[in-house]
Amino acid sequence: GNSVTQMEGPVTLSEEAFLTINCTYTATGYPSLFWYVQYPGEGLQLLLKATKADDKGSNKGFEATYRKETTSFHLEKGSVQVSDSAVYFCALSGVQGGSEKLVFGKGTKLTVNP
Amino acid sequence: DVKVTQSSRYLVKRTGEKVFLECVQDMDHENMFWYRQDPGLGLRLIYFSYDVKMKEKGDIPEGYSVSREKKERFSLILESASTNQTSMYLCASSPWTGAGELFFGEGSRLTVL
Repeated sequence: GNSVTQMEGPVTLSEEAFLTINCTYTATGYPSLFWYVQYPGEGLQLLLKATKADDKGSNKGFEATYRKETTSFHLEKGSVQVSDSAVYFCALSGVQGGSEKLVFGKGTKLTVNP
Repeated sequence: DVKVTQSSRYLVKRTGEKVFLECVQDMDHENMFWYRQDPGLGLRLIYFSYDVKMKEKGDIPEGYSVSREKKERFSLILESASTNQTSMYLCASSPWTGAGELFFGEGSRLTVL
């Protein structure tokens, strides 16, 4: 079945550091790929997405490229801020049992210190 | 903006009690979902519904049931709460052709004593 493996945290960085959170997936067919973010005390919200191979999703300075050859969708940001402290979830969307469903990774907690 | 509202942010219940978690969305979405979130396990799908009165089991439906009598409302029911159901519960919705983009509520943190 479909699955997502993402880098386990926690990850602690200083402000303005470079961020990479690794995500790899296993899926049949051609899934869409997503990064969701959960800020403290809130629900998840979509950060970015890519729907086909070689697509790059971007938002709020974050980027991720859909790499079919390496089945990866790594999240990157060139210069993190304290406000980026959150839990980040990689996810894929695929059809299972006749319905489209999201499968999430376990989440990576990021803490950015001033 | 899409708004998904969960009725209770924090609940404390006793073992064996019947628990209702309510979720309402205001964007006329067809699909609604209940997940539970646990440290180290991420999000796991309990049930989902793609239409009124329709429901399908997710990955961990045991000990839970759901009700969707109206399009905007999706309820999660714990018939007899147990301590291993202490968790954060997240409701989400999406349009029929949402292509995987879910809109989440803020979560309900349930503690079963």
